[in-house]
Amino acid sequence: RKEVEQDPGPFNVPEGATVAFNCTYSNSASQSFFWYRQDCRKEPKLLMSVYSSGNEDGRFTAQLNRASQYISLLIRDSKLSDSATYLCVVNTLNYGGSQGNLIFGKGTKLSVKP
Amino acid sequence: NAGVTQTPKFRILKIGQSMTLQCTQDMNHNYMYWYRQDPGMGLKLIYYSVGAGITDKGEVPNGYNVSRSTTEDFPLRLELAAPSQTSVYFCASSPTASYGYTFGSGTRLTVV
Repeated sequence: RKEVEQDPGPFNVPEGATVAFNCTYSNSASQSFFWYRQDCRKEPKLLMSVYSSGNEDGRFTAQLNRASQYISLLIRDSKLSDSATYLCVVNTLNYGGSQGNLIFGKGTKLSVKP
Repeated sequence: NAGVTQTPKFRILKIGQSMTLQCTQDMNHNYMYWYRQDPGMGLKLIYYSVGAGITDKGEVPNGYNVSRSTTEDFPLRLELAAPSQTSVYFCASSPTASYGYTFGSGTRLTVV
């Protein structure tokens, strides 16, 4: 199983649609989870952290299921400006068991059409 | 607050040439990273540093070298450039290993 796995898409949706992205991770001891957004030819930017109880930021909702090692991102009322690649990010574990560097998924491409 | 600054933004190298990609951050972050991203692919970690004077290899270190003489700067050196090193290079920093990273705007490198 890859460390962080995402459906590459592309997801093509109309404006106003609700779209959900899923991500699975391999290390059950991981503690830090994020969603990043990367626009074409730009650097990744932190969209939101993902907390165990789930969290919401405006139209964006992130969920974490530790038992299934699964993370999701829900975007409601999609805007044209939401078109980007969404990267699922999970931390690694060092040999000593301490929290290590972040591992980035390859991303899911979203295209929102008028 | 500039965040993470990378220079140059674009560069074309000939095979066998060498160059240094510059990265500096003004957030007093201990952790710094170099990634490469090939078209349609994910980020691959080249090298990282947990503080001044300490560096370690990532997933794809071959053909690269780094140094970390100060907290602010983390240059990436390419020796004997090869076409396989054509990529977009991103530098990032964070206050701790598992905290969200802040990325620079990238250096687009072509080796011909």
